[in-house]
Amino acid sequence: SQTIHQWPATLVQPVGSPLSLECTVEGTSNPNLYWYRQAAGRGLQLLFYSVGIGQISSEVPQNLSASRPQDRQFILSSKKLLLSDSGFYLCAYTGSIAEKLFFGSGTQLSVL
Amino acid sequence: GENVEQHPSTLSVQEGDSAVIKCTYSDSASNYFPWYKQELGKRPQLIIDIRSNVGEKKDQRIAVTLNKTAKHFSLHITETQPEDSAVYFCAALTGANNLFFGTGTRLTVIP
Repeated sequence: SQTIHQWPATLVQPVGSPLSLECTVEGTSNPNLYWYRQAAGRGLQLLFYSVGIGQISSEVPQNLSASRPQDRQFILSSKKLLLSDSGFYLCAYTGSIAEKLFFGSGTQLSVL
Repeated sequence: GENVEQHPSTLSVQEGDSAVIKCTYSDSASNYFPWYKQELGKRPQLIIDIRSNVGEKKDQRIAVTLNKTAKHFSLHITETQPEDSAVYFCAALTGANNLFFGTGTRLTVIP
């Protein structure tokens, strides 16, 4: 069966510190991978998507970057966090069932 | 890119009544429209979806309708129960295979 793992679940970081969130998918090969952000009480904003290793597309300009070093691994990074980077970050994938998007459990990031 | 608008932003109904959430989209090439339910602090979960070649789909107490001409689609929940309380998101899949979400509807079912 297909599963998605995302960690950490919560993270508190000072302004200006680096960030690394990791996501891995099991049970499917060559998934499309996504990073979404959800600000408190708001909708889901697509940040990055990837259709293959090393292929990253960004939907909005921002302080964040993404990388896909392996087929089923997706990493969200920042060199210096801003207060406005706080939010609930969700990794997601589409796998063998085309179109259907499945989310990881999310990371609640608080930048203080 | 795709623009998905969702209304209302909040909705309160009495237990047993029906709830309707409406969405519009802008990209006429969009052809897949899922709905997600997100409970507090948890991940969004897919609850039902519809493709552009179908006008209506039903699964027990939930149903979705799609009007391609008008570019709008709706979620209908009948006989609502307290456990239906959550935030619901509509979404549209673009021709580039990216899913764009509406801003969400917080549904509260009052016992």
